[in-house]
Amino acid sequence: EEQLLESGGGLVQPGGYLRISCAASGFTFNNYAMTWVRQAPGKGLEWVSSISGSTISTYYADSVKGRFTISRDNSKNTLYLQMNSLRGEDTAIYYCAKDRVAGTGGWFDPWGQGTLVTVSS
Amino acid sequence: DIQMTQSPSSLSASVGDRVTITCRASQTITSYLNWYQQKPGKAPKLLIYTASNLQSGVPSRFSGSGSETDFTLTISSLQPEDFATYYCQQTYSTPRTFGQGTKVEIK
Repeated sequence: EEQLLESGGGLVQPGGYLRISCAASGFTFNNYAMTWVRQAPGKGLEWVSSISGSTISTYYADSVKGRFTISRDNSKNTLYLQMNSLRGEDTAIYYCAKDRVAGTGGWFDPWGQGTLVTVSS
Repeated sequence: DIQMTQSPSSLSASVGDRVTITCRASQTITSYLNWYQQKPGKAPKLLIYTASNLQSGVPSRFSGSGSETDFTLTISSLQPEDFATYYCQQTYSTPRTFGQGTKVEIK
């Protein structure tokens, strides 16, 4: 069974930083792109970032470009999101998802259960 | 950026009803359109990919259609477990935008 398990969320002050992780199992991790999607409290889904299986290609939403960095360690079957210069509007549940392809095309399945990041003083 | 607009934003329906949700893209996305279902407190779940392909394990009462800019998700006979929020999403280009969601509630 394909599974994704996020960790590392928590409370951080504005301007601070946090790294969240997503441990994958049940599929050949390096064969697939991976994606982060977030959901602010009571709001809809927002795509954040995607990375190709080989790590050659990365993509970011304008709202996080220059502040967030997506990466992966294929030897550990783990996806990461380094979040710097955090703002209140970054407060959200962050989901990781297996992605068919990082660029054009693709779909997200399965999703992890999410990890909550709260940015507040 | 490609804008995705769903309609309606919410609807009330009864068990057994046929339900249709539409999604319109601000420019052509060919068939790069996916549908997800999200229940309260849960992660989204993929229902339909590339406009009309039913994800494995998803009941056949769900179907998707459309191309270019106009797409539809249909639930042929609404079941109690289908009350949820539904999102469309384009993956034609980045940012890979979602629609604002359609909440399906019990009438």
